[in-house]
Amino acid sequence: DAGITQSPRHKVTETGTPVTLRCHQTENHRYMYWYRQDPGHGLRLIHYSYGVKDTDKGEVSDGYSVSRSKTEDFLLTLESATSSQTSVYFCAVRQGANNSPLHFGNGTRLTVT
Amino acid sequence: SQELEQSPQSLIVQEGKNLTINCTSSKTLYGLYWYKQKYGEGLIFLMMLQKGGEEKSHEKITAKLDEKKQQSSLHITASQPSHAGIYLCGAENTGNQFYFGTGTSLTVIP
Repeated sequence: DAGITQSPRHKVTETGTPVTLRCHQTENHRYMYWYRQDPGHGLRLIHYSYGVKDTDKGEVSDGYSVSRSKTEDFLLTLESATSSQTSVYFCAVRQGANNSPLHFGNGTRLTVT
Repeated sequence: SQELEQSPQSLIVQEGKNLTINCTSSKTLYGLYWYKQKYGEGLIFLMMLQKGGEEKSHEKITAKLDEKKQQSSLHITASQPSHAGIYLCGAENTGNQFYFGTGTSLTVIP
């Protein structure tokens, strides 16, 4: 157990509203990641963080922003939710430096109506 | 682009049968990771392979990485219903970014 908590676990929101998903970790990991998982596309990286206030874009970052103001929390924000952002969102952390695996949270299921 | 191709996309086997899932990259891999995902849940880390020719086993699951570090296989011996789920392979690029295959869905019929 890598001590990862994602909140909320489920959310339904309307198109155009802002949404923030939270990933909280308790083990002081340096690296944190946000992925979305969709049928036919697998897991795709949205943004990742390599330290407090240090973030970078992944392959599907458009429409998403992130913030990491403290080690334990990595927030994913959808500024204006669209139906194409309906997905399951996973947070992951990396326990060490190079050649160490990611460990995942249990996901947030987001539905944009 | 970074891609991992998994085959087959889905697999249905009778309990007790052996099976193999493959993961192929067009580029040499720095490391190859296998995960299992139960439906509606997060991914569980299974094994990591780093060296060409490396083989690791855990209980009835064996993973191998070929000498060229471009192909990996996951073999399950005497499958059980508890092995059912989605198996994903993942790899890392030089920028600490992880990318994944699209997964193999495994159903084990009792």
